[in-house]
Amino acid sequence: GESVGLHLPTLSVQEGDNSIINCAYSNSASDYFIWYKQESGKGPQFIIDIRSNMDKRQGQRVTVLLNKTVKHLSLQIAATQPGDSAVYFCAENIGGAQKLVFGQGTRLTINP
Amino acid sequence: DAGITQSPRHKVTETGTPVTLRCHQTENHRYMYWYRQDPGHGLRLIHYSYGVKDTDKGEVSDGYSVSRSKTEDFLLTLESATSSQTSVYFCAISLSRDNQPQHFGDGTRLSIL
Repeated sequence: GESVGLHLPTLSVQEGDNSIINCAYSNSASDYFIWYKQESGKGPQFIIDIRSNMDKRQGQRVTVLLNKTVKHLSLQIAATQPGDSAVYFCAENIGGAQKLVFGQGTRLTINP
Repeated sequence: DAGITQSPRHKVTETGTPVTLRCHQTENHRYMYWYRQDPGHGLRLIHYSYGVKDTDKGEVSDGYSVSRSKTEDFLLTLESATSSQTSVYFCAISLSRDNQPQHFGDGTRLSIL
């Protein structure tokens, strides 16, 4: 079946640098996408979402970009901080009642 | 944090025993979901509910049943637990089905020996 995937399982960045986490999706009918952050021992925490009629959405220090032509989603974190260390998941909504399909996750580590 | 409480947070049990996990929300959200999270598989939907007594199957529903008798509570039952059901289980809620994010509880770590 179609699924959401990630290009890299791990990402290591210097504190203060910008981080970019990528996600590929394969279902062209998906109309809603979400990024989650998961810290050890906790549940996924909502970061930002975007609808398929948008290309870009900004939050506090985060930006999500959606390229429907190549079915690609990215999460940009500005001025990465130690507290940003976590696993990041993208998810797509591929049907009614919000049946989200999650990617495998990318672990972001911050170097001092 | 969204008002979601999962109980128990940890449980160890034996193969063949029944297990019930509880999700309680204080947000009065209509939609509730149960996921399992396993290494190499990410989060996978088990069952979901779109209202009191209204439930449907997800991607990995075999071996699981659910019940929702009140808006605030969504129960996940393993009738006869198997070792393959060892996992971390997450409950999520959402306000509506249309382009609203799901918010997750902190999970239940279940080990079946």
